[in-house]
Amino acid sequence: GDSVTQMEGPVTLSEEAFLTINCTYTATGYPSLFWYVQYPGEGLQLLLKATKADDKGSNKGFEATYRKETTSFHLEKGSVQVSDSAVYFCALIPGGATNKLIFGTGTLLAVQP
Amino acid sequence: ETGVTQTPRHLVMGMTNKKSLKCEQHLGHNAMYWYKQSAKKPLELMFVYSLEERVENNSVPSRFSPECPNSSHLFLHLHTLQPEDSALYLCASSQHRGSEQYFGPGTRLTVT
Repeated sequence: GDSVTQMEGPVTLSEEAFLTINCTYTATGYPSLFWYVQYPGEGLQLLLKATKADDKGSNKGFEATYRKETTSFHLEKGSVQVSDSAVYFCALIPGGATNKLIFGTGTLLAVQP
Repeated sequence: ETGVTQTPRHLVMGMTNKKSLKCEQHLGHNAMYWYKQSAKKPLELMFVYSLEERVENNSVPSRFSPECPNSSHLFLHLHTLQPEDSALYLCASSQHRGSEQYFGPGTRLTVT
């Protein structure tokens, strides 16, 4: 079935470090891919998305590229800040008739000053 | 910024109480969702409404009763809950089923 796998956390980085959070997926058809972020005590916010192969989603310095050949959608940021500390969720909506949003388990990022 | 609001933000209730969670979306969307988020568990989709019609119910116990009176409002009525129902309840909306979802801030529910 359709699924999303993301790296186990927590990920602990120093301020200004480079961030990568890995996400791979299994899906039928041509899914749309998303990254959501959840700051402490809040709901999920859509961070970025990509709807077809080789698309790059970007927002607030974060980027992710839809790689169909490796079924991946890794999240990257060149220089993290303390304010980026949150839980990051990779998600997909499968192509075809199924249109349920499927989430990964989330990766906690902790950025230290 | 969010176009989806939820009230209350925090709720403590006993197992014999009846309460309701409210969600309102200001985005002109046609689909609305209830999710449950528990510690150490993946997000659980509970209910899906499309054009005010319930289109999905993921084996949720009957002590949770959703209501969608119009495309902007969604309620979750709660009665005789169990302590294991304590969680963050998130509402979301999307333009239509299959498009990206926008979430509210959630209601933190504690059942005592």
